[in-house]
Amino acid sequence: EAGVAQSPRYKIIEKRQSVAFWCNPISGHATLYWYQQILGQGPKLLIQFQNNGVVDDSQLPKDRFSAERLKGVDSTLKIQPAKLEDSAVYLCASSLNPGTVYEQYFGPGTRLTVT
Amino acid sequence: ELKVEQNPLFLSMQEGKNYTIYCNYSTTSDRLYWYRQDPGKSLESLFVLLSNGAVKQEGRLMASLDTKARLSTLHITAAVHDLSATYFCAVAPNTDKLIFGTGTRLQVFP
Repeated sequence: EAGVAQSPRYKIIEKRQSVAFWCNPISGHATLYWYQQILGQGPKLLIQFQNNGVVDDSQLPKDRFSAERLKGVDSTLKIQPAKLEDSAVYLCASSLNPGTVYEQYFGPGTRLTVT
Repeated sequence: ELKVEQNPLFLSMQEGKNYTIYCNYSTTSDRLYWYRQDPGKSLESLFVLLSNGAVKQEGRLMASLDTKARLSTLHITAAVHDLSATYFCAVAPNTDKLIFGTGTRLQVFP
């Protein structure tokens, strides 16, 4: 079974530039998550989708971050404009829903460096 | 605000020794997860604990959950170098939204 795919794996941009990350979840997984992991910290949830609808985006800085999952499969996370503090690893995860365990499977992540 | 705290934050231990990592959380949660993260890599699921008193073991790692004390432990038996990684616990107080702990960076040396 193929895992969660993400691209690009690495990205370096200057502050005030824009960037987009792509995620393809495990086939059949209805729920998709984007996490931000700052160096030395645990992942923090940015946004959660159920199919193509947003379940939770309370931690998403909406003035600069946006995300979409138009057809309920792939998802894109965008930052515009980027700030230095956005330097982090952006992890995508997916889970099979409904289910009691709600186990999340993580992708390899995109490491973003903002200079 | 929900807090998930792990201790220790850093752990350097000799091969063959035993040690325990603790995960305390500040609100009720009927599920607790343990993940492993190698440097530059993503998170690998280790254990999912679903009920009070749950205990799971895989190789040299054993995890337990006490929901009344809001405490989970990850016990390492006879550590080997391959266990060197960062270990995260996470709770899910509301459906499937995970709140991660601070992480414990484990280094096992000969």
